[in-house]
Amino acid sequence: QVQLKESGPGLVQPSETLSLTCTVSGFSLTSYSVSWVRQPSGKGPEWMGRMWYDGDTAYNSALKSRLSISRDTSKNQVFLKMNSLQTDDTGTYYCTRDRGDILSPFDYWGQGVMVTVSS
Amino acid sequence: DIQMTQSPASLSASLGETVTIECRASEDIYSNLAWYQQKPGNSPQLLIYDANSLADGVPSRFSGSGSGTQYSLKINSLQSEDVASYFCQQYNNYPFTFGSGTKLEIK
Repeated sequence: QVQLKESGPGLVQPSETLSLTCTVSGFSLTSYSVSWVRQPSGKGPEWMGRMWYDGDTAYNSALKSRLSISRDTSKNQVFLKMNSLQTDDTGTYYCTRDRGDILSPFDYWGQGVMVTVSS
Repeated sequence: DIQMTQSPASLSASLGETVTIECRASEDIYSNLAWYQQKPGNSPQLLIYDANSLADGVPSRFSGSGSGTQYSLKINSLQSEDVASYFCQQYNNYPFTFGSGTKLEIK
């Protein structure tokens, strides 16, 4: 069955770089796109960016200068790197599978990883 | 960016009641709208896509409607397991944006 699982550090120092990995199973990264979505506690989610099935990327313009998304199809993994972290970057970070169309919602979500930005 | 305005922010209803949650987009999103349910401590789950299509495994008491800039989610015959937060999301334009959520409780 389709599964996504995020991994990475739970605590990051201010101004440092966040590195997260999304490991997927049950589908191919060359057939489906994967997005990263984050959610501050008690607030609505925020779409961060997408790794398209063809290897192209799209980013939220609000984060584009700090964000990089890449992948390793041989390992079924998608990576997120975001630099210059601040306290308002604290929240739960999810990777999601895009349903399959060019314009598509997120039909599967990982369990999420809680990231706290604090010294 | 397209702003998604969701109302109400919170809602309390009795078991068996019908509830409606509204979502307004700041511009036409051509029915490229999804609804998600997020139970406490869990990830969001897709309920509705393309404004009115039920996602796999979602009970038929959930339904979506709307077009243009105005959309709604209706839950018929409210059950205790429907206690959750509900979010709308547009995927018509980058960046995809979400509403701020509706927290549904049982009276």
